[in-house]
Amino acid sequence: GIQVEQSPPDLILQEGANSTLRCNFSDSVNNLQWFHQNPWGQLINLFYIPSGTKQNGRLSATTVATERYSLLYISSSQTTDSGVYFCAVEGGGSNYKLTFGKGTLLTVNP
Amino acid sequence: SQTIHQWPATLVQPVGSPLSLECTVEGTSNPNLYWYRQAAGRGLQLLFYSVGIGQISSEVPQNLSASRPQDRQFILSSKKLLLSDSGFYLCAWSVPTGRNYGYTFGSGTRLTVV
Repeated sequence: GIQVEQSPPDLILQEGANSTLRCNFSDSVNNLQWFHQNPWGQLINLFYIPSGTKQNGRLSATTVATERYSLLYISSSQTTDSGVYFCAVEGGGSNYKLTFGKGTLLTVNP
Repeated sequence: SQTIHQWPATLVQPVGSPLSLECTVEGTSNPNLYWYRQAAGRGLQLLFYSVGIGQISSEVPQNLSASRPQDRQFILSSKKLLLSDSGFYLCAWSVPTGRNYGYTFGSGTRLTVV
């Protein structure tokens, strides 16, 4: 099946700093999503981005499908950005199965 | 707008007891439905998915089963829980075609088997 690797596994920032999270995947994808898991465990959908670039406030994401990677940018980080960020993909030959990376644990200190 | 409901939020059950977790979706018809589990640590694993009433596909052999008695209802069950069934269970839905919105997850059920 498709492999998803996220880096870095852990990231500690001071409030106000910027960061870039990376997601590499091993095959073509129909779907790629970035999620933020909040302290209560809920997965919040940040971006649906199988290709191209999107922005939502301080967050933006870029997927270069031909090179099999996606980047999540967080600017001017806030303590509420803390949590685990997951990249998940649905491979071209794997309908109905969203495969998750192991996530990046982001800690933003005041 | 579409919403997904999952309950209960937390559950503590003794080993050997039965389990029933329910998930319902509102505001859409014929969704694809999914059960995921997140064990201690971070990884999320797909357990079951369904593309229609009565149609269930299992991804991993285990002590659990799933059913879809109605179009927008998905149930995760076990006849006898094991300690290893502890974890965080998440229900999700997606549109069957178009895939312009991706997957949306419920708020999860934290199950502790004691």
